[in-house]
Amino acid sequence: GESVGLHLPTLSVQEGDNSIINCAYSNSASDYFIWYKQESGKGPQFIIDIRSNMDKRQGQRVTVLLNKTVKHLSLQIAATQPGDSAVYFCAENRSGAGSYQLTFGKGTKLSVIP
Amino acid sequence: DTAVSQTPKYLVTQMGNDKSIKCEQNLGHDTMYWYKQDSKKFLKIMFSYNNKELIINETVPNRFSPKSPDKAHLNLHINSLELGDSAVYFCASSPTPGSSSGELFFGEGSRLTVL
Repeated sequence: GESVGLHLPTLSVQEGDNSIINCAYSNSASDYFIWYKQESGKGPQFIIDIRSNMDKRQGQRVTVLLNKTVKHLSLQIAATQPGDSAVYFCAENRSGAGSYQLTFGKGTKLSVIP
Repeated sequence: DTAVSQTPKYLVTQMGNDKSIKCEQNLGHDTMYWYKQDSKKFLKIMFSYNNKELIINETVPNRFSPKSPDKAHLNLHINSLELGDSAVYFCASSPTPGSSSGELFFGEGSRLTVL
C-alpha cells in the first residue's frame, strides 16, 4: 500500500515569497527521499534528493529537510517564481536488484501568484 | 535529442480494443519503467525491466503486457481496453541501482482515453 503522503494538496504563494511543501512517510527502510516537479503536460522531473542518514540538503533555491523522528520530509523553495508553478511529489526509494523502487506521494499543486 | 520519448502522446480508443504505447531512451540506461498516473495525479509503478529482464511487476491486470526488445526500448501493450484504463502512462529510465539516489528520467507521457 501507499506509504508516502502529503499534508497539503494545494498551495498558493505570492511571487518572491518562500514556499514549503510537506510530506509524511511511513517506511523507515527507504534509502533515499526524492522530490520531483511535474509541470502541466510533462513528465515528473527530479529536483533534489536526500539520503536517509542526512537531515538537510541544499540545492539551488531549494532545500530538503528530513525529520526521521516524526517521518516528515519538506521541500523549501526560496524566492518562488512563476516558473515554479507545478505539482510537486515526494518519493521514497528502496533500491532493489536491478531496479529502483520508487513510491510516490499524492502530490501538492503549487500556484505562484504574480 | 529527447532523452525518453514515448508515442503516441494522445490515444483515444473504444472499449475492447487493443493498443500499444512505445518508449525509447537514448541515455544508455539499463533500467526502464512504466508508471500509471490517474486523474488525481497519483503515480504508481506498473513494471520495471533491467536489460530486457522483468524486475518489478506490480498488481496489474494481465491485459497489460510489457515488451522489451532491447534495453533502450520498453513497449506497453494493452488488450481488451476498459474504461478504467484511462490515464496518463509514463515511461521512465534509470541506471542500474548503485550509489545514486534513484533519479528516474521520465518521458512526457501518453494520455490514453477509453470511450
